Amino acid sequence: GENVEQHPSTLSVQEGDSAVIKCTYSDSASNYFPWYKQELGKGPQLIIDIRSNVGEKKDQRIAVTLNKTAKHFSLHITETQPEDSAVYFCAASMDSNYQLIWGAGTKLIIKP
Amino acid sequence: DAGVTQSPTHLIKTRGQQVTLRCSPKSGHDTVSWYQQALGQGPQFIFQYYEEEERQRGNFPDRFSGHQFPNYSSELNVNALLLGDSALYLCASSLGRTQYFGPGTRLLVL
Repeated sequence: GENVEQHPSTLSVQEGDSAVIKCTYSDSASNYFPWYKQELGKGPQLIIDIRSNVGEKKDQRIAVTLNKTAKHFSLHITETQPEDSAVYFCAASMDSNYQLIWGAGTKLIIKP
Repeated sequence: DAGVTQSPTHLIKTRGQQVTLRCSPKSGHDTVSWYQQALGQGPQFIFQYYEEEERQRGNFPDRFSGHQFPNYSSELNVNALLLGDSALYLCASSLGRTQYFGPGTRLLVL
């Protein structure tokens, strides 16, 4: 079955710098890749998603890139702010399978 | 739009008991998925309901069962609770591929 690996497990960046989180997937049939932000005590919040027919997608300070050949996708956050501190999860799914397969999460720490 | 709502927010049970968790989807969404999230881990898929039927199931035992009502709301039932069932239980609703999550129910089994 599909497996999603996520790195790093913890990322500490200075406020205002950029943060990059990377994920790889194993099944080439996966074609939908969402990213979620989870704050302490809350449910995951969708921040951006990308489908396999697109290589890059941006939404203000957040961007996601997808390399189908290498089977990896990345989340880029620019001009980080204290409120970006949270755990970020990548996930993958395919047309034939309704479940999301999740990475293990990245704890992002923004240092003032 | 109220978003996805779940009840209760917290729950404490003892081993062997049964529990029922509830979820109301976002307005207009017809599909509900349930996930279990252990502390420090990513969510694990339990099952998904669509048109009042279980459409897909993850690798969870039969002790985990569910139901979807005509108004698309859903329940997750867990029988014969084990200590290892302690987790955050998340409900997600969707109309297409994109899943929107509720705040979760924190279950502690003692």
